Amino acid sequence: KAGVTQTPRYLIKTRGQQVTLSCSPISGHRSVSWYQQTPGQGLQFLFEYFSETQRNKGNFPGRFSGRQFSNSRSEMNVSTLELGDSALYLCASQPQGLAGYNEQFFGPGTRLTVL
Amino acid sequence: AQTVTQSQPEMSVQEAETVTLSCTYDTSENNYYLFWYKQPPSRQMILVIRQEAYKQQNATENRFSVNFQKAAKSFSLKISDSQLGDTAMYFCAFMKPWNQGNLIFGKGTKLSVKP
Repeated sequence: KAGVTQTPRYLIKTRGQQVTLSCSPISGHRSVSWYQQTPGQGLQFLFEYFSETQRNKGNFPGRFSGRQFSNSRSEMNVSTLELGDSALYLCASQPQGLAGYNEQFFGPGTRLTVL
Repeated sequence: AQTVTQSQPEMSVQEAETVTLSCTYDTSENNYYLFWYKQPPSRQMILVIRQEAYKQQNATENRFSVNFQKAAKSFSLKISDSQLGDTAMYFCAFMKPWNQGNLIFGKGTKLSVKP
């Protein structure tokens, strides 16, 4: 099976712009999570989608939003970019079983630089 | 709220030797999952090992094993016979059952394996 893919891999934007990042999960996986990774704050959970619905949300401002399509692909959007939004954005997919735990498989990330 | 603390920002070890990475966490939950993730310089996050809190037995995966002390809220990772390919950032992570997609990460330990 192909792994989790994220596009684009690198992105440069300027303050005030908006950006959309894309994530394609492993085939058959219905849940997608997004994380922000920065040197200062480390890895922080943004949100998680399952069956086109946001199930969990981290502590980020409303400028950060996401959605999931019927084929489980997900996008996240950041509006009115700030310098502090520069980060590696990781997407992870997982199957949705009945167990209390499902392994998350991570993509390579999108490196966003805000100038 | 749950927190995960990794007190060793950087560590180094000689090839073929053994190294232990420390992790402590704080939670009021009785049932949860703990993980060690590896992030090599290429940035793809990989699950190394996981532990269910309700299991007494420490998890083992080949050269990787954990020392899980539930009462002390400690979860260390031991890497035996270290290899150059083990060079990476290692993240300790926590997740509540059914809280799908919401991993809480520590700040990470940068491990360098020296020839």
